[in-house]
Amino acid sequence: GAVVSQHPSWVICKSGTSVKIECRSLDFQATTMFWYRQFPKQSLMLMATSNEGSKATYEQGVEKDKFLINHASLTLSTLTVTSAHPEDSSFYICSAQGQRITGEQYFGPGTRLTVT
Amino acid sequence: SQQGEEDPQALSIQEGENATMNCSYKTSINNLQWYRQNSGRGLVHLILIRSNEREKHSGRLRVTLDTSKKSSSLLITASRAADTASYFCATDATGGFKTIFGAGTRLFVKA
Repeated sequence: GAVVSQHPSWVICKSGTSVKIECRSLDFQATTMFWYRQFPKQSLMLMATSNEGSKATYEQGVEKDKFLINHASLTLSTLTVTSAHPEDSSFYICSAQGQRITGEQYFGPGTRLTVT
Repeated sequence: SQQGEEDPQALSIQEGENATMNCSYKTSINNLQWYRQNSGRGLVHLILIRSNEREKHSGRLRVTLDTSKKSSSLLITASRAADTASYFCATDATGGFKTIFGAGTRLFVKA
């Protein structure tokens, strides 16, 4: 089956610093990748949709200047949390949808971000 | 905003019992999916049911879909302690390109 990886799996950073999270589709090309955020004991909230080679589409209430998304290739999307604050601490999950895989998304294992 | 609502929010049962979780959604969909998530871990895809399907089975899982009521249910039969997890429904809306998750049901199976 299709595999999606995320790196790092967890990260601790100081308030005010930036953190980059990578999402890779390992065995298929992903034209579209999605980024979700999940707070403890809550559901996944879609943050943005990124298409290879174009700007990401952000959901309402998500600051595009704070959460920078780059989808430079068909196998890699990155999410950069800029000037992180403790309230950005969360579980970030990406998913990928392939050209030949219709209607299904494949999820990465998630990245736990803790901002101190 | 989340499209799906799930009930119950939490469910505690004894091992061997069946567990039923329900999901309701608001708009027309192409398909509905159920996922499992163990605490602090990633999502595990359980089953996908398309809008023209009414029921689907996979091992101990049985999913139903009622598009007229905009609802779905997930039944886990003969539950095991290892089934303890959060379960989410997720919908792909007609004409849309994104998946929206429900609030989830936290299932606890006591050994």
